[in-house]
Amino acid sequence: EDQVTQSPEALRLQEGESSSLNCSYTVSGLRGLFWYRQDPGKGPEFLFTLYSAGEEKEKERLKATLTKKESFLHITAPKPEDSATYLCAVQALGPNAGGTSYGKLTFGQGTILTVHP
Amino acid sequence: GAVVSQHPSWVICKSGTSVKIECRSLDFQATTMFWYRQFPKQSLMLMATSNEGSKATYEQGVEKDKFLINHASLTLSTLTVTSAHPEDSSFYICSARTSGDNEQFFGPGTRLTVL
Repeated sequence: EDQVTQSPEALRLQEGESSSLNCSYTVSGLRGLFWYRQDPGKGPEFLFTLYSAGEEKEKERLKATLTKKESFLHITAPKPEDSATYLCAVQALGPNAGGTSYGKLTFGQGTILTVHP
Repeated sequence: GAVVSQHPSWVICKSGTSVKIECRSLDFQATTMFWYRQFPKQSLMLMATSNEGSKATYEQGVEKDKFLINHASLTLSTLTVTSAHPEDSSFYICSARTSGDNEQFFGPGTRLTVL
């Protein structure tokens, strides 16, 4: 069974204080690892997809990296508007690998990020 | 691009009634749509996957007779919660993707409260 564990559960930063969020995963065969941002009472907003170990992607103050066992979301010089819950999800290879549904995403519990001014 | 809408954004209903939630892909054709449920301070749990024109595939533990899913067109999927009870109160979120794409784009969610 696919599993995703995110740490820490909650992270408080001062504005400008860089840090990283961790996503550890086990999957039968990784098709893709996804990062989303979710604001309270809203649906997840797509950030990145990573497909293979060593891959990196950047968007503004965010940078996502991937190894064979985990992914990191690095936040450089965060601002208060970066406060949100960050979700990590994995998608397994094959129509039925890791679940009954092709394209199924298995989500972690999320990291609640709060950036204080 | 890649905008997904949901309607209604929130709904309050009495126990025993049925509620329909719509999920639309506004600027792309969604061959596959997914329905998730999220309880407070918990992550998203997949309920079912629907492909246009075919029956939905439900995750283990999800009652298909209670949560009716219809994906009649490439831009619309509906979730009907039948005979709703207070324990069905939750945040329901849909997502959509096109054929060949891995990315799923999520709707804004529907808050269901059953009294």
